[in-house]
Amino acid sequence: QKEVEQDPGPLSVPEGAIVSLNCTYSNSAFQYFMWYRQYSRKGPELLMYTYSSGNKEDGRFTAQVDKSSKYISLFIRDSQPSDSATYLCASPKAAGNKLTFGGGTRVLVKP
Amino acid sequence: DSGVTQTPKHLITATGQRVTLRCSPRSGDLSVYWYQQSLDQGLQFLIQYYNGEERAKGNILERFSAQQFPDLHSELNLSSLELGDSALYFCASSVAAGVAGTDTQYFGPGTRLTVL
Repeated sequence: QKEVEQDPGPLSVPEGAIVSLNCTYSNSAFQYFMWYRQYSRKGPELLMYTYSSGNKEDGRFTAQVDKSSKYISLFIRDSQPSDSATYLCASPKAAGNKLTFGGGTRVLVKP
Repeated sequence: DSGVTQTPKHLITATGQRVTLRCSPRSGDLSVYWYQQSLDQGLQFLIQYYNGEERAKGNILERFSAQQFPDLHSELNLSSLELGDSALYFCASSVAAGVAGTDTQYFGPGTRLTVL
């Protein structure tokens, strides 16, 4: 079993819809959680990070962590075609900063 | 643009060969990380260097090695290449050694390696 799991998608939504992305993780030692966005043939770029449980909002993006169920979510409001990308959740190991990534979910926002 | 540069962008080589991938971190960053991204394994951590010293190791094969030079650029050496080594190789950098979660990693554009 992988430590971080994501549905690979693709997830197709119309422009303006809310995109809902999820990850589950198995390692209770994970404390920080990141969401990266990766466009085709590009490197991942950090969107948001959260610590422990709770919500964090940044513009159209909201990240949620539920440590009791080991569940991480990212919501994108008012989605745009430019949001079409692969979204990766990740967490660093407690001892150090090496990131463990989920497999990524491909999102398609159709105009 | 993350400020992390990687060369070359593409590399095509044959099985059994050896290649070197190069990474220059963002100005001021002391840590360099190497990741491999393949279709079946996803994005996997290989190794981290901090200020010239190896800091952490992941699932890096013995055929692979890396180093970080005094000017902080890093090289990843892949030898005795196999078909399964074909992947995207990303370098990332961060300011410090990486207290978990507080040290953002910025990724380069990657090197696409094709082994024929």
